[in-house]
Amino acid sequence: ETGVTQTPRHLVMGMTNKKSLKCEQHLGHNAMYWYKQSAKKPLELMFVYSLEERVENNSVPSRFSPECPNSSHLFLHLHTLQPEDSALYLCASSQVKNRGLTGELFFGEGSRLTVL
Amino acid sequence: QKEVEQNSGPLSVPEGAIASLNCTYSDRGSQSFFWYRQYSGKSPELIMFIYSNGDKEDGRFTAQLNKASQYVSLLIRDSQPSDSATYLCAVNKRRTGGFKTIFGAGTRLFVKA
Repeated sequence: ETGVTQTPRHLVMGMTNKKSLKCEQHLGHNAMYWYKQSAKKPLELMFVYSLEERVENNSVPSRFSPECPNSSHLFLHLHTLQPEDSALYLCASSQVKNRGLTGELFFGEGSRLTVL
Repeated sequence: QKEVEQNSGPLSVPEGAIASLNCTYSDRGSQSFFWYRQYSGKSPELIMFIYSNGDKEDGRFTAQLNKASQYVSLLIRDSQPSDSATYLCAVNKRRTGGFKTIFGAGTRLFVKA
């Protein structure tokens, strides 16, 4: 396995379901990210983990719950989602440099989520 | 004012022409600037980054940065149909404790054969 891998690639869930998205990076990076991509909107940064510590939480609703057990794995736990949460969820990793510069982002292929 | 602004396009150019993609940003303290390419149904991939004022060339791609004008551009020479994609401008913006990467909404480029 190389790069950043995400599973599942597609997910359909009802508003009462609980599911999780998984991301794994094989690049030796020290930071991992969740982004949300909706049609015709910029990529929205949701969460950042640097050295396994959450350093960014962009006012994301509590129905999204991230987990970073180690520097290579990142999860996004989903529960009681709304139809407007349907989007492409992208995981990325990077090597954070001096002074907190995030460096180049390497993205996974994304998890396409549909909430019915 | 959006933090990173791009013309959504589509920008249509004939094969072999120069495609010029533009981006402006609001935070004067921004340090690093990136261009990502995203094909339909795929994830973004980094194609260029630039940290200093001036031009940076890599093959058919040239990134240009003007910090005084808060302006970044990407030129694609000898455009090919395979260059048809959405191009995302991204900027490292200051935040407490470091920086975070902010993306523009992207410019769709269509190269006509």
